[in-house]
Amino acid sequence: EAGVAQSPRYKIIEKRQSVAFWCNPISGHATLYWYQQILGQGPKLLIQFQNNGVVDDSQLPKDRFSAERLKGVDSTLKIQPAKLEDSAVYLCASSLGPGSAGELFFGEGSRLTVL
Amino acid sequence: AQSVTQLGSHVSVSEGALVLLRCNYSSSVPPYLFWYVQYPNQGLQLLLKYTSAATLVKGINGFEAEFKKSETSFHLTKPSAHMSDAAEYFCAVSDGGANSKLTFGKGITLSVRP
Repeated sequence: EAGVAQSPRYKIIEKRQSVAFWCNPISGHATLYWYQQILGQGPKLLIQFQNNGVVDDSQLPKDRFSAERLKGVDSTLKIQPAKLEDSAVYLCASSLGPGSAGELFFGEGSRLTVL
Repeated sequence: AQSVTQLGSHVSVSEGALVLLRCNYSSSVPPYLFWYVQYPNQGLQLLLKYTSAATLVKGINGFEAEFKKSETSFHLTKPSAHMSDAAEYFCAVSDGGANSKLTFGKGITLSVRP
């Protein structure tokens, strides 16, 4: 069974530029999550989708971050414009959905460096 | 709101020694608790989970954890460390609800000395 796929693995940009990350969850997983992991910290939830609807985006900086999950499968996370403090690993995860008791499957992450 | 606390940022043990990584949780509802492991430049992998069944949970790679409600703890142990156990370990909590999400601790880096 294929795991959660993410791209690109690495991205370096200048501040005020834009960047987009893509995620393809495990087939059949209804719930998709984007987490931000800053060096030395645990992952922090940015946004949670149930199929193609947003369940929780309370910690998403909506002035610069946006995310969508069209057709309830793939998802894209965009940052525009990027700030230095956005340097982090962006982790995508998926789960079966209600009843999965919070067991998430993670991709390898997309490491962003903002100069 | 739920949270977990992982005291300390780094633990170093000798190969063959006991591994003990501490995690304390805070939750207003019966929690679901997890330990995840992250190897360098990789995503997180589930080690084990507690979902209100047996309080002693066995996971992959010889790890286990015990849920202690009276101590609000869910410490991770392994009797004998192996060099391949060197990684970062995260404790996480969820309420297990329909839209459950994981809240992570800050993580502990485990080093294993030859």
